[in-house]
Amino acid sequence: DAKTTQPPSMDCAEGRAANLPCNHSTISGNEYVYWYRQIHSQGPQYIIHGLKNNETNEMASLIITEDRKSSTLILPHATLRDTAVYYCIVRVRGAAGNKLTFGGGTRVLVKP
Amino acid sequence: NAGVMQNPRHLVRRRGQEARLRCSPMKGHSHVYWYRQLPEEGLKFMVYLQKENIIDESGMPKERFSAEFPKEGPSILRIQQVVRGDSAAYFCASSPPERGAVYTQYFGPGTRLTVL
Repeated sequence: DAKTTQPPSMDCAEGRAANLPCNHSTISGNEYVYWYRQIHSQGPQYIIHGLKNNETNEMASLIITEDRKSSTLILPHATLRDTAVYYCIVRVRGAAGNKLTFGGGTRVLVKP
Repeated sequence: NAGVMQNPRHLVRRRGQEARLRCSPMKGHSHVYWYRQLPEEGLKFMVYLQKENIIDESGMPKERFSAEFPKEGPSILRIQQVVRGDSAAYFCASSPPERGAVYTQYFGPGTRLTVL
């Protein structure tokens, strides 16, 4: 699976949008971009995934650059409960891609 | 639809004892994965199972650790003769056999193992 690079930490003001970048310059055509988050002491929570088109769900939006070498997770209106470690993961399509490789992630602190 | 269930949530064992961790996947999910998170570290993949089959155990320690996912009942991660270094949070995830080869994994709350 392609490696990802994320900033180790970032702060965000409550109510503002949080933009979390991820670089995955070695991504190949059959690899998806996934985002998970882990709130302290809890199990990782699936947020969103995409292949090449931008995606949006009730939790967040995922913007993938045209060359697919980077992406941005957007939390439109951050709340204190969004404080967590956010992981960007690239994985292969299909059953062979079932080994999620978690890097260091970005530790997001939402401040009042 | 209930999420992934894990029990116990907390488990305390003395060195040399056995630990059994259970994972019930989400309804309709036939793929189970186990991950370990050591204190202050990231999650590491251990093993991927489908019903009655181990598909990928590349992350499992070579000794003392085993996993199963029987035809009936939960998946079990078994650690024999535990040592202090086994103290960690163990997370289970499950995924459905989706069409389009997208196997999104959903995680349980974890079992926190403490070895005294």
